[in-house]
Amino acid sequence: GAVVSQHPSWVICKSGTSVKIECRSLDFQATTMFWYRQFPKQSLMLMATSNEGSKATYEQGVEKDKFLINHASLTLSTLTVTSAHPEDSSFYICSARDWTSVNYEQYFGPGTRLTVT
Amino acid sequence: QKEVEQNSGPLSVPEGAIASLNCTYSDRGSQSFFWYRQYSGKSPELIMFIYSNGDKEDGRFTAQLNKASQYVSLLIRDSQPSDSATYLCAVNIGGGADGLTFGKGTHLIIQP
Repeated sequence: GAVVSQHPSWVICKSGTSVKIECRSLDFQATTMFWYRQFPKQSLMLMATSNEGSKATYEQGVEKDKFLINHASLTLSTLTVTSAHPEDSSFYICSARDWTSVNYEQYFGPGTRLTVT
Repeated sequence: QKEVEQNSGPLSVPEGAIASLNCTYSDRGSQSFFWYRQYSGKSPELIMFIYSNGDKEDGRFTAQLNKASQYVSLLIRDSQPSDSATYLCAVNIGGGADGLTFGKGTHLIIQP
């Protein structure tokens, strides 16, 4: 099946610093990747849609200047949390869709747990 | 506003019995429906997807979709303790270009 990786799996940073999270599709090409965030005991919330070669589309309420997304290739999307604050501590999960598939299923990466101190 | 509703549970089912998980959605334009399983601290794992009204079976799992009632369900037959997890219902409205809208999940406990 389709495999999506994320790096790092967990990160601790100090308030005010920036953190970059990578999402890779390992055995397929993904023109679109999605970034989700999950707070404890809550469900996944879509943050943004990352399109290869173009600007990301952000969901309402998500600050595009704070969560920078770059999708420079068909297998890599990055999310940079700029000037991180404790309230940004969360589980960040990316997903990707194999566009050669006739189905619309999204495959999720293992997630990145961010803790801002 | 897109909404996906699930009973948060916990839903407790004896081992070997059938577990029935339900989900309703608000947007009639929704086109595809997914069930994911999520273990604590892990990312979601795709179990099944369904697009057409009716039933779809895959091993011990059966997804049921009723678009008129805006209702989708997941049945797990011969439930095993390893099935204990949170089950997330997700809906895609516009097709592959859209992200998924998730319900809050149902916590399922299979009692040995």
